[in-house]
Amino acid sequence: EAGVTQFPSHSVIEKGQTVTLRCDPISGHDNLYWYRRVMGKEIKFLLHFVKESKQDESGMPNNRFLAERTGGTYSTLKVQPAELEDSGVYFCASSLMMIYEQYFGPGTRLTVT
Amino acid sequence: QKEVEQNSGPLSVPEGAIASLNCTYSDRVSQSFFWYRQYSGKSPELIMSIYSNGDKEDGRFTAQLNKASQYVSLLIRDSQPSDSATYLCAVNMDSNYQLIWGAGTKLIIKP
Repeated sequence: EAGVTQFPSHSVIEKGQTVTLRCDPISGHDNLYWYRRVMGKEIKFLLHFVKESKQDESGMPNNRFLAERTGGTYSTLKVQPAELEDSGVYFCASSLMMIYEQYFGPGTRLTVT
Repeated sequence: QKEVEQNSGPLSVPEGAIASLNCTYSDRVSQSFFWYRQYSGKSPELIMSIYSNGDKEDGRFTAQLNKASQYVSLLIRDSQPSDSATYLCAVNMDSNYQLIWGAGTKLIIKP
């Protein structure tokens, strides 16, 4: 069974540009989560999808971040326009049910210069 | 005060010994508790989950949960150099399904 996949693995963009991150969850997992780890800090929750619906987006930092999960399969996280403080590693995770174990993808390392 | 706290370490343990990792959490309704292992530059890898008070064993790993004292621990028996990594404690709190994370404890197993 394939695990959670994320693309790209690494992105370097300039301040003000747009970046779109993609996550493909484990097949059959209705729950998809986005997390972020900024250098030297704990992993922080961004948002949670159940199928195509946003269950909880309380961790989204501001309206420059837009997440979608059309069709309830893969998800995208767009940052527009990117700021320096957006740099970090963005992880996607999926789970079969809400309180079950979450399995993480390899992450996307975003560097904003 | 952070919601989930871990000693950042590093915790140095000789090969073959028991490594003991601890995590405390704030006084909220916590449902589920997880231990993840993260190698440098890699993503968190789930190694243990525990949902009720007591011990849960899986191979060389034992998770211990004490809700009254608000702590969860991870014991690694017969520590191996390959166990050297950062161990992250994560907790579901209240009715949310997001994970609240500790900063992680760096474990070093010395041959």
